[in-house]
Amino acid sequence: DTEVTQTPKHLVMGMTNKKSLKCEQHMGHRAMYWYKQKAKKPPELMFVYSYEKLSINESVPSRFSPECPNSSLLNLHLHALQPEDSALYLCASSQEGSSNNEQFFGPGTRLTVL
Amino acid sequence: DQQVKQNSPSLSVQEGRISILNCDYTNSMFDYFLWYKKYPAEGPTFLISISSIKDKNEDGRFTVFLNKSAKHLSLHIVPSQPGDSAVYFCAASASDSWGKLQFGAGTQVVVTP
Repeated sequence: DTEVTQTPKHLVMGMTNKKSLKCEQHMGHRAMYWYKQKAKKPPELMFVYSYEKLSINESVPSRFSPECPNSSLLNLHLHALQPEDSALYLCASSQEGSSNNEQFFGPGTRLTVL
Repeated sequence: DQQVKQNSPSLSVQEGRISILNCDYTNSMFDYFLWYKKYPAEGPTFLISISSIKDKNEDGRFTVFLNKSAKHLSLHIVPSQPGDSAVYFCAASASDSWGKLQFGAGTQVVVTP
């Protein structure tokens, strides 16, 4: 299984809502990532988890809260988002300690904040 | 501060011909480079990579060339096929910044019959 899955595919939420994005991989990868991608822009790294511990937070606002319940799952909890947070949210995974940084990406969740 | 640059937002090429995509970088600490392909409504898919100790890596129809002195890399696709129509992202990483991939803005490739 070389797939990273993400749910939901699409999400529309109001600024007062609380929602969660989910990501799952069964490749035995020990590093997982959240990226944000705006239209016609490259993916921007948000968070990196390594062995279920948060290792990188790219100064992301606290209204985004990541969680890694186990080595296969990665969540992104959303609360009090702003319309400018509307974007494609991509999850990725890779082998910890590999000599390259080949990351496998999921299809993304298209988020719209009203 | 864009450390990885793809200056051509789009490229149109005829089926069967060669596609050449270019990428420039500014950070001399980058030592690993990757190309990803992205179809609409899908996540990026890894294509090919190259370490800074090499200047060429080939995988089937895809070849990546690295010119460290010029801080430039290119992806050659030959022959181009209609299924190659997608957005191609160049990405770079540094050994001392494990986990951080810096992406270029992408190049939209259209392969015409």
